[in-house]
Amino acid sequence: GESVGLHLPTLSVQEGDNSIINCAYSNSASDYFIWYKQESGKGPQFIIDIRSNMDKRQGQRVTVLLNKTVKHLSLQIAATQPGDSAVYFCAENPNNFNKFYFGSGTKLNVKP
Amino acid sequence: DTEVTQTPKHLVMGMTNKKSLKCEQHMGHRAMYWYKQKAKKPPELMFVYSYEKLSINESVPSRFSPECPNSSLLNLHLHALQPEDSALYLCASSQEGAGLSGYTFGSGTRLTVV
Repeated sequence: GESVGLHLPTLSVQEGDNSIINCAYSNSASDYFIWYKQESGKGPQFIIDIRSNMDKRQGQRVTVLLNKTVKHLSLQIAATQPGDSAVYFCAENPNNFNKFYFGSGTKLNVKP
Repeated sequence: DTEVTQTPKHLVMGMTNKKSLKCEQHMGHRAMYWYKQKAKKPPELMFVYSYEKLSINESVPSRFSPECPNSSLLNLHLHALQPEDSALYLCASSQEGAGLSGYTFGSGTRLTVV
């Protein structure tokens, strides 16, 4: 199968700091990427997406950056809050209409 | 209604039991999915239904049998499972197709096989 991996399995940040979660993907044909947040006991929740014709997209307190040259995706969370504590997955859609491949996940711990 | 509802939330079953997981959405989504998630691992795709027809089976063992009775419902029938099948089973739905806007996930069914 495809490979979508993360550099840091666990990230601890202080409340109020900015967080950066990274993801490397392997399929250069992937044209759509999503970051999901999964809290304990819940299903993954859509955070933000980006298509391959963009290199940056901003949401509320979150920014996704896409570097197609090195096949790298990152999620930036501004002013991290305790409620941001969760596991974050990147997912790529390699031009397959209904199929996403998920990265291995990064656990974000926000210290008060 | 912007939710995917899964029942039951927790299920314990023996290896000789037959049980079913249920999933429901009323967002008009025409694609529905079953994912399996082991602890501390990403979700793994099992099945995809598109317009109530099975379109993707990721080589899932036959002890898992999906069913899509209508556009709002998705079932996963379980029979003769093994302890290693214990996991969180996630249902998701999407517009046709997921490459338009991604999935909406349910909260999952936590399955324990004893």
